[in-house]
Amino acid sequence: AQKITQTQPGMFVQEKEAVTLDCTYDTSDPSYGLFWYKQPSSGEMIFLIYQGSYDQQNATEGRYSLNFQKARKSANLVISASQLGDSAMYFCAMRAPNFGNEKLTFGTGTRLTIIP
Amino acid sequence: KAGVTQTPRYLIKTRGQQVTLSCSPISGHRSVSWYQQTPGQGLQFLFEYFSETQRNKGNFPGRFSGRQFSNSRSEMNVSTLELGDSALYLCASSLGDGQGKTEAFFGQGTRLTVV
Repeated sequence: AQKITQTQPGMFVQEKEAVTLDCTYDTSDPSYGLFWYKQPSSGEMIFLIYQGSYDQQNATEGRYSLNFQKARKSANLVISASQLGDSAMYFCAMRAPNFGNEKLTFGTGTRLTIIP
Repeated sequence: KAGVTQTPRYLIKTRGQQVTLSCSPISGHRSVSWYQQTPGQGLQFLFEYFSETQRNKGNFPGRFSGRQFSNSRSEMNVSTLELGDSALYLCASSLGDGQGKTEAFFGQGTRLTVV
């Protein structure tokens, strides 16, 4: 079974500062994918970044980067130069990339609030 | 290209009624997954459909069912509604080709309130 743990229910960060959102995971699958999604108050889940278990380098997408430490089973999201529009819920998720399995297992999320 | 469309956006139903939610995936996507999001239980996987067949199912009672049509559009149905079914129901669209990197694109959800 797969499990995602996000230990920060909420965070307050000053605008323009960098922020790290924690995510640890547990799985017995040797191959897996890790995702981060942003959920604004409108409800839609917005894909941010992906990290594969065999990827040698940490993923980056614009202001988002993923600090992947496989031995520690952690996949923290780093947002550089935070903006007011970054205020939202953030979810870490995992999927075993086997054909026939699109199921995402989500963590409980972190509510990020950017302070002007 | 058009995103994932869920209808309706909001629903209010009475206990004991049934409800049908609709999801139109991104063109070319053959997999549609449904999730229930509540403050208490978080995001929970309901089921996934691929090429009109249910491929995976979460741990929900039989009152929750779904189907997928030949154009990949999907519907989920909840019968005999209970107060605890009040939630945001999210639909996710993906290629379904088993490639791990392929992200799922979500709709804006249907917010169901059972009174």
